Amino acid sequence: QKEVEQNSGPLSVPEGAIASLNCTYSDRGSQSFFWYRQYSGKSPELIMFIYSNGDKEDGRFTAQLNKASQYVSLLIRDSQPSDSATYLCAVNLGDLTGNQFYFGTGTSLTVIP
Amino acid sequence: DTEVTQTPKHLVMGMTNKKSLKCEQHMGHRAMYWYKQKAKKPPELMFVYSYEKLSINESVPSRFSPECPNSSLLNLHLHALQPEDSALYLCASSQDQGAYEKLFFGSGTQLSVL
Repeated sequence: QKEVEQNSGPLSVPEGAIASLNCTYSDRGSQSFFWYRQYSGKSPELIMFIYSNGDKEDGRFTAQLNKASQYVSLLIRDSQPSDSATYLCAVNLGDLTGNQFYFGTGTSLTVIP
Repeated sequence: DTEVTQTPKHLVMGMTNKKSLKCEQHMGHRAMYWYKQKAKKPPELMFVYSYEKLSINESVPSRFSPECPNSSLLNLHLHALQPEDSALYLCASSQDQGAYEKLFFGSGTQLSVL
C-alpha cells in the first residue's frame, strides 16, 4: 500500500509565527519528496523539494526529511496571510511502470492577521 | 520557465457534448500527465505520456480520450460525460520519468457537467 498521510487540519497560526506541516509516507522506495501549495480553486504550485535526509532551506521555507522515520515536514517562518492555502505533500516512487507520484490529502493552513 | 499552459480555464458542458481540453509546455519535458482533482481531495492520476506515447492509463472510462500530437502538446477529449465528472482537470509535465523528477502543474480547467 502506497500511502502519504497528512493531518488535514485546519491549522491556524498567527501572522509572524512558524507554521509546521507534517507528512508521513509508507513506501520505503520513495526517492524524492515535494511540497505543493494550492490556493482554493487553483492548481498546485511546487514550492519545495528534497531528496536527502536533513534540512533544505529556501527563503521562509524549510523542508526536513527523515527517511528512517519516513517523515517529511515543511516549516514556514514569519507566516503571512498570503500563506493561507492547502499544502500537499507528494512523493516520487520512481516506478516507471506505474503511477510514480503519490499525494497526501493536504493540510489546510490559515494565517490569522 | 516552468510554465504549463491549459485552455480553457473554465468549461461547462452538457452530457451529450463533445469538448477538448488543451495543454502546452515549452520546457522540453518528455513526460506529460492528466490529473483529475475533486474538491478537498488530492490530484488523481488519469494518464501519462512518455516521449509522446501513452505509458499509463489508470483505468479511466473511455469517455475520456487523451491525445499527444507532439512533444509540447497534450489534449484530453471529452464525450458523453456524467455530472460526477465535474472536477478540476490538471495537466502536468516533468523532464522525464524517473526517481528525482519534479512535477509541474498547469493552471487547470474547472469542468462542470450539467
